[in-house]
Amino acid sequence: EAQVTQNPRYLITVTGKKLTVTCSQNMNHEYMSWYRQDPGLGLRQIYYSMNVEVTDKGDVPEGYKVSRKEKRNFPLILESPSPNQTSLYFCASSFSFRGGTYEQYFGPGTRLTVT
Amino acid sequence: QKEVEQNSGPLSVPEGAIASLNCTYSDRVSQSFFWYRQYSGKSPELIMSIYSNGDKEDGRFTAQLNKASQYVSLLIRDSQPSDSATYLCAVTLGGYSTLTFGKGTMLLVSP
Repeated sequence: EAQVTQNPRYLITVTGKKLTVTCSQNMNHEYMSWYRQDPGLGLRQIYYSMNVEVTDKGDVPEGYKVSRKEKRNFPLILESPSPNQTSLYFCASSFSFRGGTYEQYFGPGTRLTVT
Repeated sequence: QKEVEQNSGPLSVPEGAIASLNCTYSDRVSQSFFWYRQYSGKSPELIMSIYSNGDKEDGRFTAQLNKASQYVSLLIRDSQPSDSATYLCAVTLGGYSTLTFGKGTMLLVSP
């Protein structure tokens, strides 16, 4: 089954404790992206990657890191989480179209709470 | 500033009616347009994509694009209670590297 998977699905952590949210896709997509979704603010892009070893900032990259060492995986790293990073996080992937993104398919989401 | 605008709703329609959802975008060079459906607490699900002016139909859904007016819409015919969800408009603003999402329109279909 073609899918985007994320782990963990739910996470409660404390301020300052480094964490990683994994994202993996089995569709051979070149493009991958991370979003956060907050009430009243909608979906906002954190980082994206057009291919292996190619990453770029989205609209809200502060406090986050990413890496793209393999085509299928795109982990999101919070090195020192803070309460304002409490949010619902989505990973998405797509084939590349004219060097950019095409129809994006989303993972199930990770609900993160930072206390 | 590049933006995608949607009426937040809720848009309430009776079962069997046509629901019309609208979206405007700020960038004339935008080329790719998408509609996603999102149930509460779930991930966005792609339901329609459209790339050229005019209408595109897929089952009960019709997407309409007017690039001159910078306007894209989604029509849902024979609306069902299961269509009750938030509908997100997404546009590749300023090129193809990113998708910018509107904040969504909540649709409520009453039996």
